[in-house]
Amino acid sequence: GNSVTQMEGPVTLSEEAFLTINCTYTATGYPSLFWYVQYPGEGLQLLLKATKADDKGSNKGFEATYRKETTSFHLEKGSVQVSDSAVYFCALNGGSEKLVFGKGTKLTVNP
Amino acid sequence: NAGVTQTPKFRVLKTGQSMTLLCAQDMNHEYMYWYRQDPGMGLRLIHYSVGEGTTAKGEVPDGYNVSRLKKQNFLLGLESAAPSQTSVYFCASSYDRHYNSPLHFGNGTRLTVT
Repeated sequence: GNSVTQMEGPVTLSEEAFLTINCTYTATGYPSLFWYVQYPGEGLQLLLKATKADDKGSNKGFEATYRKETTSFHLEKGSVQVSDSAVYFCALNGGSEKLVFGKGTKLTVNP
Repeated sequence: NAGVTQTPKFRVLKTGQSMTLLCAQDMNHEYMYWYRQDPGMGLRLIHYSVGEGTTAKGEVPDGYNVSRLKKQNFLLGLESAAPSQTSVYFCASSYDRHYNSPLHFGNGTRLTVT
């Protein structure tokens, strides 16, 4: 079945550091890939998505590229801010009603 | 803009008690979902609905029931609560199948079963 594996946290960075959160997936066919973010005390919200190979999703300075050859969708940001502290979830949809989530990576950014 | 509203925000139940969690959305979305979030487990789909009057099982449906009598509301019921159902429950909705349109989440209901 479809599955998502993302790097275990927590990740702690200083402000303006470079961020990478790794995400790899297993799926049949050509899934759509997503990153959701959960700020403290809130529900998840879509951060970015990519629906086909080589697509790059981007939003709020975050980027992720759909790499079919390595089955990866790593999240990157060049310079993190304290306000980026949150839990980040990689997710996959293989065309059904079910969105499969990774376990989440908690990011803390210190000033 | 209310979006997706979940009630209650917190609840403590004793084993064997029943309760209903209410989810309401004001975006005229067709699709609605109930997830549970547990530490180290990510989010797991309990039940979902693709339109008014429809429901379907997700990944972990046992011990839960749902109803979608009105398009804007999606109810999650626990008939006989168990400690294993201690979790944070999230409702979500989307305009279209969620690979075409994003999920909009509520802020969650934290349930503790003692």
